[in-house]
Amino acid sequence: KAGVTQTPRYLIKTRGQQVTLSCSPISGHRSVSWYQQTPGQGLQFLFEYFSETQRNKGNFPGRFSGRQFSNSRSEMNVSTLELGDSALYLCASSPLGQGRSGANVLTFGAGSRLTVL
Amino acid sequence: AQKITQTQPGMFVQEKEAVTLDCTYDTSDQSYGLFWYKQPSSGEMIFLIYQGSYDEQNATEGRYSLNFQKARKSANLVISASQLGDSAMYFCAMREDHNNNDMRFGAGTRLTVKP
Repeated sequence: KAGVTQTPRYLIKTRGQQVTLSCSPISGHRSVSWYQQTPGQGLQFLFEYFSETQRNKGNFPGRFSGRQFSNSRSEMNVSTLELGDSALYLCASSPLGQGRSGANVLTFGAGSRLTVL
Repeated sequence: AQKITQTQPGMFVQEKEAVTLDCTYDTSDQSYGLFWYKQPSSGEMIFLIYQGSYDEQNATEGRYSLNFQKARKSANLVISASQLGDSAMYFCAMREDHNNNDMRFGAGTRLTVKP
């Protein structure tokens, strides 16, 4: 069974540009969550999509957005990039939406490492 | 609001010995799940073990066990017979079962296994 696939793995952008990251969940998983990981802030929740609907959102500015397609693949977009957006962006999928069951394990991808210059 | 605390930024252990990584949490919910993940230098988060708040027995998965003390709100990870490949960051996480709460993570502990 294929795992969670994130593309691209590495990318470099400059301030003011925008970026789109892609996540393909495990087959059959309907929930996709996105996290930002930085050395200073650790792992922070961005948002979660379940059946093409955003169900939950973390405390990030509106420059961060996402969507989920009918095949459960998800994309996240960051517009007007800032230096502080440099981070590892992790996508995780699960069979059920977050909060549905305590045992609902998140399976993570390898991440997309974004560097903003 | 849920909060996860990992007080050990770094830990060292000799190969083949056991090590305990600490995790405390704060929640007002009665129903929640506790998770441990391992993150090697490659970046991928690997699920290790899960403990439900109503589980009476401590969870075990191979060399991993979770020392769950509900009254103290602690969920320490015990790794037995450490291996060099266990060197990584370890994250404790919690998710409350209600209100569509997302999974929240602690700051992590960097474990280094010495040969």
